[in-house]
Amino acid sequence: EVQLVESGGGLVKPGGSLRLSCAASGFTFSGYSMNWVRQAPGKGLEWVSSISSSSSYIYYADSVKGRLTISRDNAKNSLYLQMNSLRVEDTAVYYCARVGREYDILTAHYCYYMDVWGKGTTVTVSS
Amino acid sequence: SSELTQDPAVSVALGQTVRITCQGDSLRSYYANWYQQKPGQAPVLVIYGKNNRPSGIPDRFSGSSSGNTASLTITGAQAEDEADYYCSSRDSSGNHVVFGGGTTLTVL
Repeated sequence: EVQLVESGGGLVKPGGSLRLSCAASGFTFSGYSMNWVRQAPGKGLEWVSSISSSSSYIYYADSVKGRLTISRDNAKNSLYLQMNSLRVEDTAVYYCARVGREYDILTAHYCYYMDVWGKGTTVTVSS
Repeated sequence: SSELTQDPAVSVALGQTVRITCQGDSLRSYYANWYQQKPGQAPVLVIYGKNNRPSGIPDRFSGSSSGNTASLTITGAQAEDEADYYCSSRDSSGNHVVFGGGTTLTVL
């Protein structure tokens, strides 16, 4: 069974740090790019960061750039999100998601989509 | 612009057809993907690319696109389709993911 399981969430004070993990199973982890997506309480989905299969390409949302760091260990089938200088507005459920891709001949673009999601881990930043 | 705009709420009578729309400049270059999220659950991919359904998604879900607008259509809405729906695409750089604000679908 294809599965993603997040862990590492918790309560942290503003300015603090936290490291999230995402354990992958049931598929060849090293063959896929991965994303972190978060959802603040009662709000919509917000993309946080992406990492390519070999970690060659890494992207961040402007709201987290310089504070959050995505990484992966393909030997351990694991994805990580190091969260530093946390702010109250970082409070959210954090999901890891597998990135699928398909080439579209008409647009000559790859279509990227998140086809497998974990159940999420909750991060609360509060004093 | 990297924004995607969705109507906050839409309702449909049981068994009828409903269209949920998503507007944004990036949709002129990239297809939208659509995610369904029920309360307390993780999002689920329902449509990706031009009009592709992942395994296990009922064929009453379909997608289309024209200009800067992408649409998710549910033909014959069921009670279990009541959920939040999010469109997603790429920004103008092609490197960042953007989400719409979400549409809450109520099945009456």
